[in-house]
Amino acid sequence: DQQVKQNSPSLSVQEGRISILNCDYTNSMFDYFLWYKKYPAEGPTFLISISSIKDKNEDGRFTVFLNKSAKHLSLHIVPSQPGDSAVYFCAADNSGGGADGLTFGKGTHLIIQP
Amino acid sequence: NAGVMQNPRHLVRRRGQEARLRCSPMKGHSHVYWYRQLPEEGLKFMVYLQKENIIDESGMPKERFSAEFPKEGPSILRIQQVVRGDSAAYFCASSPKDSFYEQYFGPGTRLTVT
Repeated sequence: DQQVKQNSPSLSVQEGRISILNCDYTNSMFDYFLWYKKYPAEGPTFLISISSIKDKNEDGRFTVFLNKSAKHLSLHIVPSQPGDSAVYFCAADNSGGGADGLTFGKGTHLIIQP
Repeated sequence: NAGVMQNPRHLVRRRGQEARLRCSPMKGHSHVYWYRQLPEEGLKFMVYLQKENIIDESGMPKERFSAEFPKEGPSILRIQQVVRGDSAAYFCASSPKDSFYEQYFGPGTRLTVT
């Protein structure tokens, strides 16, 4: 039962354009969402997060949008750069559900083409 | 400013042997999480520990797996009598006391069971 879904296993975007990575969730108790970036043979690196009380959070080239009614979030990267090529994981948590770990999606492999 | 350290990076075990995976959290972090990533899957939460306490082990298989985070020394994830299905990448993450969401991941240990 996949509570966090990333339906695109891969995405190819031209350098300089906008990359949009999508994530859907089913558990309405999730109230905090994060994006992680992962290079091969390395651990995931935290990128950006958003609380359910907001609908947008921006940090440099990265913006996360949250649509609670649709249970959908997206990560926008603009402009896309070659170093952005990596696997991106969406993760979610329920702060009221006791101490536990994050629930991750399966990831989207972003490929930035020159 | 060392990040989360995991060792070994690669571990090969024959079926029936024991695997011990170590994780040293970032300096000042008192919370440790273990995740497992099977091929083509996202990371799955296994266990959350603080020093000398297991806070949540809801993601741990009921048998053969155990984890500890002693007062001194690294956190250890122990898998007894390994089977082929245990082959995966095991990631440890740590977070500071007041910010469990921003988990910092180690590079992972890739366990191969032959």
